[in-house]
Amino acid sequence: NAGVTQTPKFRVLKTGQSMTLLCAQDMNHEYMYWYRQDPGMGLRLIHYSVGEGTTAKGEVPDGYNVSRLKKQNFLLGLESAAPSQTSVYFCASSSLPGQGGYGYTFGSGTRLTVV
Amino acid sequence: GDSVTQMEGPVTLSEEAFLTINCTYTATGYPSLFWYVQYPGEGLQLLLKATKADDKGSNKGFEATYRKETTSFHLEKGSVQVSDSAVYFCALSEAGNTGKLIFGQGTTLQVKP
Repeated sequence: NAGVTQTPKFRVLKTGQSMTLLCAQDMNHEYMYWYRQDPGMGLRLIHYSVGEGTTAKGEVPDGYNVSRLKKQNFLLGLESAAPSQTSVYFCASSSLPGQGGYGYTFGSGTRLTVV
Repeated sequence: GDSVTQMEGPVTLSEEAFLTINCTYTATGYPSLFWYVQYPGEGLQLLLKATKADDKGSNKGFEATYRKETTSFHLEKGSVQVSDSAVYFCALSEAGNTGKLIFGQGTTLQVKP
């Protein structure tokens, strides 16, 4: 089925370890986003991309890096994990505004625990 | 900056009750407004949207009207079902061409049989 696929679905890291979360979409969407979801805080934007080869910071970018080398993939990296990065991470994609845009398609999430 | 405020939950209703989840926003310009739903263990799904003032978005029995004068986009459903139990998020589109959405904190709805 077409959509947004996130890997892995679950992960436990030790403080200081690094990891990469992968987001892949097969809808030819230009825009991609990484959010984190924490209880009582809704979704907060970490980084986003408006096209292949572009990235930009969102609301809470510290401690994360991203890359968009291919249009269909958006990678989120944690260089040195901290317990404060324990969260559920969601990737989303959308088409250009004006083309029915702003209707995000979300992945099913990655639950990350940092101990 | 732009922001979205939702009523705090959880909201607990009996099956077939009327649902209202309040959402108000602060924004520059004229954003599009959205409701997303998140079922347990899943990602968010677009429920409905409205792109200009007085527009009504509707889907699966849910409705919301874009009220510019009160800066609101309240979600309503006439008769809820147990299967509607989920977390509901109100969101607005930030001005510009980034496509960014700003989400409220979410409201948990629990429907009891």
